[in-house]
Amino acid sequence: EVQVLESGGGLVQPGGSLRLSCAASGFTFSSCVMSWVRQTPGKGLEWVSGISGSGGSTYYADSVKGRFTISRDNSKNTLYLQMNSLRAEDTAVYYCAKGRGIYNYWYFDLWGRGTLVTVSS
Amino acid sequence: DIQMTQSPSTLSASVGDRVTITCRASQSISGWLAWYQQKPGKAPKLLIYKASSLESGVPSRFSGSGSGTEFIFTISSLQPDDFATYYCQQYNSYPYTFGQGTKLEIK
Repeated sequence: EVQVLESGGGLVQPGGSLRLSCAASGFTFSSCVMSWVRQTPGKGLEWVSGISGSGGSTYYADSVKGRFTISRDNSKNTLYLQMNSLRAEDTAVYYCAKGRGIYNYWYFDLWGRGTLVTVSS
Repeated sequence: DIQMTQSPSTLSASVGDRVTITCRASQSISGWLAWYQQKPGKAPKLLIYKASSLESGVPSRFSGSGSGTEFIFTISSLQPDDFATYYCQQYNSYPYTFGQGTKLEIK
């Protein structure tokens, strides 16, 4: 079955760290751009970070640049998001999304169920 | 960053109606635009990519058009399953950005 499944969410204090994982199956993971997209409760969608198939290129939203790091292990078909210096405004459901497209033009054709990150003291 | 503005924010309609949603980009994105449907508690689902290409398995009552800075999403005849929130997304350049969403409600 083609799917991506996130894990690693939870409650963390402001200033703390958390690492999200996304396990992929059913497709050639190493060929796909992958991204993290988040959604704050009751609000819209915000693209957070993306990574090329090889892992050699990474991209970030300004709101997380310098605090979050995206990476991947193609031998394990797994995507990661290391989140440091967490803030209350990072509270959201984090989705892992598989990219499809050409060159540098990628939209998201497969999404996980999401994992909730809550930043609160 | 490219700003995406959707209108309306909320739309009330009845089963069988034809509805349209507009998405405007703050600068040209050529045709690099996708539309997604999201239901409460669920992940977004891809409906349209490259402004007008219908994703496999998506009913033909959904369609998209436009290029440059103005895009239209249409549902030709609303079905009960279509009441949801719809988002546009530009993938012309990083950071990718989404519209704020249009909530389609039952009239």
